[in-house]
Amino acid sequence: NAGVTQTPKFQVLKTGQSMTLQCAQDMNHEYMSWYRQDPGMGLRLIHYSVGAGITDQGEVPNGYNVSRSTTEDFPLRLLSAAPSQTSVYFCASSYSGGLNEKLFFGSGTQLSVL
Amino acid sequence: DAKTTQPNSMESNEEEPVHLPCNHSTISGTDYIHWYRQLPSQGPEYVIHGLTSNVNNRMASLAIAEDRKSSTLILHRATLRDAAVYYCILRDAGGTSYGKLTFGQGTILTVHP
Repeated sequence: NAGVTQTPKFQVLKTGQSMTLQCAQDMNHEYMSWYRQDPGMGLRLIHYSVGAGITDQGEVPNGYNVSRSTTEDFPLRLLSAAPSQTSVYFCASSYSGGLNEKLFFGSGTQLSVL
Repeated sequence: DAKTTQPNSMESNEEEPVHLPCNHSTISGTDYIHWYRQLPSQGPEYVIHGLTSNVNNRMASLAIAEDRKSSTLILHRATLRDAAVYYCILRDAGGTSYGKLTFGQGTILTVHP
């Protein structure tokens, strides 16, 4: 199993550009989520999904859109990139998101917005 | 979300045990105690979790105080590969976002050869 796969690993954008960060998992997990990590800080939840067709906002959702058309994929869209969105982005998944479950994280996408 | 308090940093020598403490005095009865670690330039990695009883797995042990207001992650023989930031996290049913992990600053563990 590949686990959680994120692409690209690195990306540089100009202010105002849009792009999509890809996340795919092959563990048949219903729960998927996106976090961002700013320098020297812990991770903060952006959006999450409890199954195909169901998404919800985390604590820092502004400027980001998500959709979940399949169980495997959970892309994160930046509509109009801003320098404040420079960060490392992590995708994570678990079977159903329950308190007793562990999350599997991808290796991250490092995004710089100039 | 329930909060945890960890030391900013700790140091250890290779092949010695490491005890990483975590205080969570506001923990409620249904909160699970989770530990994750993050190696440099990698995503967080699950280490262990528990509710009330001590837990062991191939990576570490988790000792939970009887009143559950604190816990300790134990690495039995530290290796250089264990150098990472260790996060103690409470997963609670009362959070505003389902399945959310609330990451604090964590403890930076340095392992000396």
